[in-house]
Amino acid sequence: DIVMTQTPLSSPVTLGQPASISCRSSQSLVHSDGNTYLSWLQQRPGQPPRLLIYKISNRFSGVPDRFSGSGAGTDFTLKISRVEAEDVGVYYCMQATQYPLTFGGGTKVEIK
Amino acid sequence: EVQLEESGGGLVQPGGSLRLSCAASGFIFSDYYVDWVRQAPGKGLEWIGRSRSKAYSYSTEYAASVKGRFTVSRDVSKNSLYLQMNSLKIDDSAVYFCARLTRDDAFDVWGQGTRVTVSS
Repeated sequence: DIVMTQTPLSSPVTLGQPASISCRSSQSLVHSDGNTYLSWLQQRPGQPPRLLIYKISNRFSGVPDRFSGSGAGTDFTLKISRVEAEDVGVYYCMQATQYPLTFGGGTKVEIK
Repeated sequence: EVQLEESGGGLVQPGGSLRLSCAASGFIFSDYYVDWVRQAPGKGLEWIGRSRSKAYSYSTEYAASVKGRFTVSRDVSKNSLYLQMNSLKIDDSAVYFCARLTRDDAFDVWGQGTRVTVSS
């Protein structure tokens, strides 16, 4: 199974300041079709997960442009350019390149 | 509006069975892969199973942790996905979500989840 490792576990951020979350996979997420199926999800307290980013860097419909994704191969990053109060929650990376699909352990974003 | 809604959760004894349902609306259910993902209390997300689209004969995939015990099925006439869970263990206690997979292999629609508690 592909292991997804996220850092940090927790990220206390001042409102209006940037936040960055790293996700590393135990093997390359490049699929044989050439795509990299790495997505990012946000889970606010008491809510189901919500898709933010797919295929490394594509922002999903309705997601604010302060969220951006980057990376390649085994190293990926989610950045929030200016954290807002509504961004509080746990963020997960997920790979769908290989079965079983696997998730990172989550990074909790909270306001200082 | 595109929606998924789970139901069927509850309290069950170890070794028991439970069937979860996921009702889909607002999209052509047969055209999409739909998966089950669970989240144990205070823990992260775990993928547990998949039903592919009609184009792939609704074939299924499972995580090793549930293979042989859980079965994913669909009733297209009811726009519903099911998760039959047998031989339940305490570690199966979780909130169970169904989620729709996009063409880009990301989960774009999630239900609110249904809670399963396995306890004696």
